[in-house]
Amino acid sequence: KQEVTQIPAALSVPEGENLVLNCSFTDSAIYNLQWFRQDPGKGLTSLLLIQSSQREQTSGRLNASLDKSSGRSTLYIAASQPGDSATYLCAVRLSGANNLFFGTGTRLTVIP
Amino acid sequence: EPEVTQTPSHQVTQMGQEVILRCVPISNHLYFYWYRQILGQKVEFLVSFYNNEISEKSEIFDDQFSVERPDGSNFTLKIRSTKLEDSAMYFCASIGGRNIQYFGAGTRLSVL
Repeated sequence: KQEVTQIPAALSVPEGENLVLNCSFTDSAIYNLQWFRQDPGKGLTSLLLIQSSQREQTSGRLNASLDKSSGRSTLYIAASQPGDSATYLCAVRLSGANNLFFGTGTRLTVIP
Repeated sequence: EPEVTQTPSHQVTQMGQEVILRCVPISNHLYFYWYRQILGQKVEFLVSFYNNEISEKSEIFDDQFSVERPDGSNFTLKIRSTKLEDSAMYFCASIGGRNIQYFGAGTRLSVL
């Protein structure tokens, strides 16, 4: 069974700082990996999706990388803003399946 | 931008009662999902639905649960006899041609 772990569980940074969130997964036979943002009591907003054949994806200040062989993905956030404060989840879809396995999440607080 | 819509946003029920959670997936999507998130825990896959039948389900999705697509737009999750441990946030998701899973805002189910 796929296990997805995110480190750190919580992170607090001053505004303007660049930061990296980490995601690791145990089964490297993945189809894709998706990063989400979750605000308290709210739904999940898709940020980036990386296909298994890709190494990275970028959207604005966000950059996600994927190293399938080592079972790792990182989400890089540049020039963090207070509005980036949320929980960030990574989720993995295995080859041959269509459901997602979610990580434990990293709760980010950006201090003004 | 099209979105997945879920109703109600909050459902309170007594233990042993039946509940139906409703979702309207994005209109041209073909795969639909239900996930749940118990407070403080990971988002967990329940069931996926394609071509009017269940395509995958997790061990959580036991005989108490059922899904239905009663018409061309709605997708429902029914819990036959709710238990205290069914209290959670339930998310509906759908997937389109770009393999991105889009999530609704969720229904918070509180079983008393």
